[in-house]
Amino acid sequence: QVQLVQSGAEVKKPGASVKVSCKASGYTFTSYGISWVRQAPGQGLEWMGWISAYNGNTNYAQKLQGRVTMTTDTSTSTAYMELRSLRSDDTAVYYCARDKGPKDYWGQGTLVTVSS
Amino acid sequence: EIVLTQSPGTLSLSPGERATLSCRASQSVSSSYLAWYQQKPGQAPRLLIYGASSRATGIPDRFSGSGSGTDFTLTISRLEPEDFAVYYCQQYGSSPPDTFGQGTKLEIK
Repeated sequence: QVQLVQSGAEVKKPGASVKVSCKASGYTFTSYGISWVRQAPGQGLEWMGWISAYNGNTNYAQKLQGRVTMTTDTSTSTAYMELRSLRSDDTAVYYCARDKGPKDYWGQGTLVTVSS
Repeated sequence: EIVLTQSPGTLSLSPGERATLSCRASQSVSSSYLAWYQQKPGQAPRLLIYGASSRATGIPDRFSGSGSGTDFTLTISRLEPEDFAVYYCQQYGSSPPDTFGQGTKLEIK
């Protein structure tokens, strides 16, 4: 069965960086993309960007350009999302999702808290 | 960027009733690349509908999607207790970025 398992919760100080992992299983990793979506407390869903697990091509949300980097390791079927220069409004649950247009499988979410 | 506006913000209904949720796009969504997701508290979103009207794997047939262009609808024919949740529409057209609507909360009346 398809599973996406994310790394655990993180607490970071403003200005720091965070790297969240998403390990895929149950399907051919390179046949799909991975999107990252975040959700601030009590708020809606925000698409952050997408990476092709086939060739590493990326598309990022304009508001995060320059602060976010998405990568994959095909040897371990793992996707990564790094967000730099963290601010308090980056506090959110971060989700990875298998992307074939619609996002049909999601990770369990990783809470990232940014606080001094 | 395509902006999606969902209405109503909150919908109060009773089990057994019919729910109609709306999603309007600021410009035409190409090839009906419109999806609907359900999210319950503390859980990840769950794909319900893709391509505006196709049910995802394992989704009960009381959920249906319709629409094209700029106007889309999610209908739940007879509400079950487990259907009370927040629903999001999302467009995933040919050009990024993907965008989500702000959500409709379906609550028990």
